[in-house]
Amino acid sequence: AQKITQTQPGMFVQEKEAVTLDCTYDTSDQSYGLFWYKQPSSGEMIFLIYQGSYDEQNATEGRYSLNFQKARKSANLVISASQLGDSAMYFCAMSPISGAGSYQLTFGKGTKLSVIP
Amino acid sequence: GAGVSQSPSNKVTEKGKDVELRCDPISGHTALYWYRQSLGQGLEFLIYFQGNSAPDKSGLPSDRFSAERTGGSVSTLTIQRTQQEDSAVYLCASSFGPEDRPYPGANVLTFGAGSRLTVL
Repeated sequence: AQKITQTQPGMFVQEKEAVTLDCTYDTSDQSYGLFWYKQPSSGEMIFLIYQGSYDEQNATEGRYSLNFQKARKSANLVISASQLGDSAMYFCAMSPISGAGSYQLTFGKGTKLSVIP
Repeated sequence: GAGVSQSPSNKVTEKGKDVELRCDPISGHTALYWYRQSLGQGLEFLIYFQGNSAPDKSGLPSDRFSAERTGGSVSTLTIQRTQQEDSAVYLCASSFGPEDRPYPGANVLTFGAGSRLTVL
């Protein structure tokens, strides 16, 4: 079984500042993938970034980076130079890489980010 | 199509009525998923289709829920005798099958905008 915990129901950040959204996870799988999705008010879930548990380097995608600390079972999302359009719900998710359930994402409850002009 | 298309975007129904929600996945995606998102909650897995294999229905909350996928493409989620607790946003997603992922473990789902169901 897998569990994702996002402890920050809501966060505020000043425009152009960086912000870190926390995510911790629990799993018995040896190999797994970690994902972050963004959900704006329109409702559509947008994939942001992926990190494999086998990756030694932190993943980066433009202004998004994933601070992966395997021993602490954390996969925090860092957004640099926040923009007003970053205001949305952010979900952390994970899945096993192989075997039964490797297609099934387990999601956290999300963090609502508000960017202040 | 260019993205995952869901219809209707909003559905209001009376308790006890049946509803059908439709999902048209991205062309070329062999995997299709239904998730449910209740107010203020994360996403709850409902069902998974992969190619011609038997679907994984382990997430369906009751036998009032069913889903089918015709011709490996369009899927319909049916909720019979709706209850107020069924009110939620139903999200459909699609992805490449396991053999076609760009790298191991990266099962990146592309979601539709969802169907918001309100049961009065």
